[in-house]
Parts: sequence; structure tokens; C-alpha cells
Amino acid sequence: GIQVEQSPPDLILQEGANSTLRCNFSDSVNNLQWFHQNPWGQLINLFYIPSGTKQNGRLSATTVATERYSLLYISSSQTTDSGVYFCAVERKGAQKLVFGQGTRLTINP
Amino acid sequence: DVKVTQSSRYLVKRTGEKVFLECVQDMDHENMFWYRQDPGLGLRLIYFSYDVKMKEKGDIPEGYSVSREKKERFSLILESASTNQTSMYLCASSLWRGINYGYTFGSGTRLTVV
Repeated sequence: GIQVEQSPPDLILQEGANSTLRCNFSDSVNNLQWFHQNPWGQLINLFYIPSGTKQNGRLSATTVATERYSLLYISSSQTTDSGVYFCAVERKGAQKLVFGQGTRLTINP
Repeated sequence: DVKVTQSSRYLVKRTGEKVFLECVQDMDHENMFWYRQDPGLGLRLIYFSYDVKMKEKGDIPEGYSVSREKKERFSLILESASTNQTSMYLCASSLWRGINYGYTFGSGTRLTVV
């Protein structure tokens, strides 16, 4: 099956810092999503981004489908950004989402 | 906004009990999914369904079954709960029109089997 690797596994930053999270995948995809899992376990959809670039406030994401990676950028981090960020992909021809192991982001005040 | 509602936030059951986890979505999505999430193992797909009365096994279906009698409702059934089924269970739905428009997740059910 398709492999999804996220890096780094853990990231600790001070409030106000910028961060870049990476997701590599091993096959062509027709769906890629970034999620933020809050401390209560809820998975919040950040971006649906199988290709291209999107921005939403302090967050932006870029997927380069031909090179099989995606990047999530968080600027001017806030403590509420803490949590686990997941990349998940759906291989072409499949209808199920495969998750990476996540990046645990901790923003200290 | 699409809403995916899971019936219980926390659940404690005894070993051997039959357990039902309910999930309802309100946006007429064809696809529905059940995942479990465990520390160090990430999210793993248990079962999914493309349509009413249809079901497909995911990566870890053993010990589980599902039911989808109505389009908006997808139930996960633990026939005889065991302690190794203690986990966080997450339901999701997605719209399929030749391509997938993204998944929406419920808030999760944290199940403890004692």
C-alpha cells in the first residue's frame, strides 16, 4: 500500500516562531489533506490540497504532486497551534485515506 | 458545514459485552469510515462503506463488524469486547463524485474495555 512519512516527528517552538512540516508519499494521489488534532482528539480539517498552494490565515500548504510531497507552513505560532498535525492521502483508484504518523507540535509561551 | 456526530464521547464497557458505536452525518455523503487511533500506531482503518448496505474491510477488521442500513448512519459493532479494543474510535464521511472532495471526522469516542 501507499506509504506516508511525516517529518519531523516532534517539534518544540516558542510562540511567534514559524514552522514547516513535511509529508512525503510513495504513490500518485488524488486526495491529500492536512489535519490538526486538538487535545480533545478532534481531527480538524486544515486543507484539502492534492496539488498546488492554499492559504488560510497564518497557515498555508503546498503540494508538489509530481515529486510526491506536501508542506504545511505555520507562521507566527500561537500556543493554540499545539497538537498533532497529520497528513493523509488517498491513492488514485482507492477510496480510503491513509495517514502518516503525525508531527507533534508544542508551542511554548 | 458537514457535521459528523458520534453518539458517545466516552464509553466504558466490560469484557465480553456487545458494543455499538454510532455515527451520523448530515450532508448526504456516500462514503463513511471507521478508524481507530492508538499511541504509536496512528490511525488505522477498520471498515468503510461506499453506499447503503455495502461494506468493505479495512486494514484491521478482526473483532469488528459494521452496519449501514441508512445513508446517513454507520455503526461499528464490537461483537464481544476485549481489552485490546480499548482505543479512540473516529468516524469520517466523504463525498464521492468521481473524485473525493475531502473527509470530515467526528469528534471521536474513547472506549475503555475493562
